[in-house]
Amino acid sequence: AQSVTQPDIHITVSEGASLELRCNYSYGATPYLFWYVQSPGQGLQLLLKYFSGDTLVQGIKGFEAEFKRSQSSFNLRKPSVHWSDAAEYFCAANQAGTALIFGKGTTLSVSS
Amino acid sequence: DVKVTQSSRYLVKRTGEKVFLECVQDMDHENMFWYRQDPGLGLRLIYFSYDVKMKEKGDIPEGYSVSREKKERFSLILESASTNQTSMYLCASRRQGDSGNTIYFGEGSWLTVV
Repeated sequence: AQSVTQPDIHITVSEGASLELRCNYSYGATPYLFWYVQSPGQGLQLLLKYFSGDTLVQGIKGFEAEFKRSQSSFNLRKPSVHWSDAAEYFCAANQAGTALIFGKGTTLSVSS
Repeated sequence: DVKVTQSSRYLVKRTGEKVFLECVQDMDHENMFWYRQDPGLGLRLIYFSYDVKMKEKGDIPEGYSVSREKKERFSLILESASTNQTSMYLCASRRQGDSGNTIYFGEGSWLTVV
């Protein structure tokens, strides 16, 4: 069955430190891949998406993600975290004609 | 600016009541979705509509039905609400075709069943 896995439920990072959130997918063929962020009480905001081509994808708010076919991964990174990045992050995937499947999310806390 | 509007942001309903959650999009999108979001479980797909009067069950359709009579509106119906349906419900829409198209979400409807 198709699935998206986010191994880390909760991560705490110091402000100014780098961040990497992990995402693995299980699909027969490479799906379209997405990262969304949800701040408390807010809706989902798209950070970035990967369709094909360059495996390093740039997104909004200084985020980037790297697609690695060999590892079935699409990890999200940010070089320097700001307190305002504290939120819940969702990785998602789909193939043509299908709905998005989401991971269970990773909650990011930022310590000062 | 794109807009997916969920008319009811917060609802409290009694067990056994019939509940309607309404979603309207103004982007002429063919695809519309209903998800529910629960802590620790992420977003789970309830129903998916490819186009008007077309629907497909998602991962957790039990206890829910949907209606898509007009392109812009996608309704989620809880025939007989139960306490385990207390959750946040998210509606979304997407343009048909390349399924890598961006999916747009509404702000969510918080439903409490007592």
